[in-house]
Amino acid sequence: GQQVMQIPQYQHVQEGEDFTTYCNSSTTLSNIQWYKQRPGGHPVFLIQLVKSGEVKKQKRLTFQFGEAKKNSSLHITATQTTDVGTYFCAAWDPFRGAQKLVFGQGTRLTINP
Amino acid sequence: DTGVSQDPRHKITKRGQNVTFRCDPISEHNRLYWYRQTLGQGPEFLTYFQNEAQLEKSRLLSDRFSAERPKGSFSTLEIQRTEQGDSAMYLCASSLDVVEAFFGQGTRLTVV
Repeated sequence: GQQVMQIPQYQHVQEGEDFTTYCNSSTTLSNIQWYKQRPGGHPVFLIQLVKSGEVKKQKRLTFQFGEAKKNSSLHITATQTTDVGTYFCAAWDPFRGAQKLVFGQGTRLTINP
Repeated sequence: DTGVSQDPRHKITKRGQNVTFRCDPISEHNRLYWYRQTLGQGPEFLTYFQNEAQLEKSRLLSDRFSAERPKGSFSTLEIQRTEQGDSAMYLCASSLDVVEAFFGQGTRLTVV
């Protein structure tokens, strides 16, 4: 089945610094999703990318899907304390006509105010 | 609140006991998923229902685990003869299509 690997596992930044997390797959992905999980919370959907080379922005967050559809990144510009949490990439993995969402290990972001 | 609801939020049980968790998905969602998450890890897929049919079950799910979704509405996840290794957060999610999955708050299981 599909697997997605994420790096780094942890990232600590000063407030105002930028942050990037990367997601890689050995197989071509049909789509990639990003979720955010606040400490003590549950994963919350941020965005889905489906097209090769796609770039989407949400305020200070920029999401990219690689040309080969095997990698993706999430970049946060000028981090704020509200950005604290774990960011997961995930992909829908087709299996016998069904679909399951496979998650990466996540990147935990902590911020020094 | 019309989101995904899970009950209980926390469960402490003694090793060897059986536990059952409930998930109420968003009402119009036909797809329902169970995941398990341990500290510092991403959610691990356990099982998937489309309506009342259980279409996939992870190899992670031993024979002690069973899930049901009668009438394609709420779902239950039962763990028999719990072991300490079962301690984790059990997350339920639902979706209407293969786009956004909506997660519940989870049930945190502690086996002592």
